[in-house]
Amino acid sequence: QLVESGGGLVQPGGSQRLSCAASGFTFSSYWMSWARQAPGRGLEWVATIKYDGSEKYYVDAVKGRFAISRDNAKNSVFLEMNSLREDDTAVYYCARYDDIAEVVWGLGTLVTVSS
Amino acid sequence: DVVMTQSPLSLPVTLGQPASISCRSSQSLVYSGGNSKLNWFHQRPGQSPRRLIYKVSNRDSGVPDRFSGSGSGTDFTLKISRVEAEDVGVYYCMQATHWPWTFGQGTRVEIK
Repeated sequence: QLVESGGGLVQPGGSQRLSCAASGFTFSSYWMSWARQAPGRGLEWVATIKYDGSEKYYVDAVKGRFAISRDNAKNSVFLEMNSLREDDTAVYYCARYDDIAEVVWGLGTLVTVSS
Repeated sequence: DVVMTQSPLSLPVTLGQPASISCRSSQSLVYSGGNSKLNWFHQRPGQSPRRLIYKVSNRDSGVPDRFSGSGSGTDFTLKISRVEAEDVGVYYCMQATHWPWTFGQGTRVEIK
């Protein structure tokens, strides 16, 4: 199970930190990701972090502004979002992606960037 | 980035009839293992996505066998042999061979 938190209303240029708490599986064995979905739009993969935190990947639209991290001791993954823009408004999903094993998604947390 | 292009974007279907969705990638999705990391997801309104197919043609656990995936290289297809009411929603192809991972625009399936 994955449970996201930290969403809310933030002003353009502001910052927000999303958290995702994992349970029910060996968290430290899996790559973890964040994806987002703007209102009425399709899915976009945002960032991924390797199981030990040694590799991180980002979509170009968030490079230099967002940072993914994890704490394996706390079974948690985070997304630090800075310099937020209105087009970052979306439901942000935490996901455990695996090429073969079940892909687990959270229910999502809404981030609204607006003045 | 790899661009994933789906067609059609809207697909009205009759219950019990087959349906097919195409997905084309801007570059080959074959990786060193010889397979392609091409996935299909289904999202119902108000719900999180669910993966149906991984590595082109493998069904995830619990996915009905009316769903099948095929293709290679840059051209892929998701087929539903007989559409049921629960199949409505949006279907996305997604590639995980190249960073950043990318989704198609989505195909909305609705019942006629």
